Amino acid sequence: QQQVKQSPQSLIVQKGGIPIINCAYENTAFDYFPWYQQFPGKGPALLIAIRPDVSEKKEGRFTISFNKSAKQFSLHIMDSQPGDSATYFCAAPSSNTGKLIFGQGTTLQVKP
Amino acid sequence: DAGVIQSPRHEVTEMGQEVTLRCKPISGHDYLFWYRQTMMRGLELLIYFNNNVPIDDSGMPEDRFSAKMPNASFSTLKIQPSEPRDSAVYFCASSTTQIADTQYFGPGTRLTVL
Repeated sequence: QQQVKQSPQSLIVQKGGIPIINCAYENTAFDYFPWYQQFPGKGPALLIAIRPDVSEKKEGRFTISFNKSAKQFSLHIMDSQPGDSATYFCAAPSSNTGKLIFGQGTTLQVKP
Repeated sequence: DAGVIQSPRHEVTEMGQEVTLRCKPISGHDYLFWYRQTMMRGLELLIYFNNNVPIDDSGMPEDRFSAKMPNASFSTLKIQPSEPRDSAVYFCASSTTQIADTQYFGPGTRLTVL
């Protein structure tokens, strides 16, 4: 079964730090790589997504970097804040159906 | 728009009982997804519908699980009979015309099977 491998499983940073979460995927039906953010007791919500005709996309403090040859993409959070403490999921479209396959998630804690 | 609506938010039942989870997608969304989230297995896609038709149910774990979408504004996920290992948070999500596009998740139903 196709997988998306996400690391690290958990991450603790100080306020203002730059947490980086990495994902590796197998073959995909097309290039669409989203990141979802989930707060406790809530459903995941789309944070940022990239359709790589570019290698990087930035929205506010959040940046996706994409390396197509390596089949990897990562999320960087600049100037992280305690309010960014959440679980982050990457996802990639499966090669045969296009349905999104989610990574295992990274629990981020930003300390004040 | 109220977003994706799920009910109940919490369900506690005993092993062997039938459980029905409900979902109302965002109006105008053609795709509806059912996910299960556990600590061990993360976020798993169980089944998804396109225009009320089940497209891929390969993630449904067993025949005890079934899902229906009788119309564009309502879907159910049923577990019969329920088992303790079914305890999880079940999410419904919907999206517009493209399968790999923004999925809008509901708040989830936390199911506990005793």
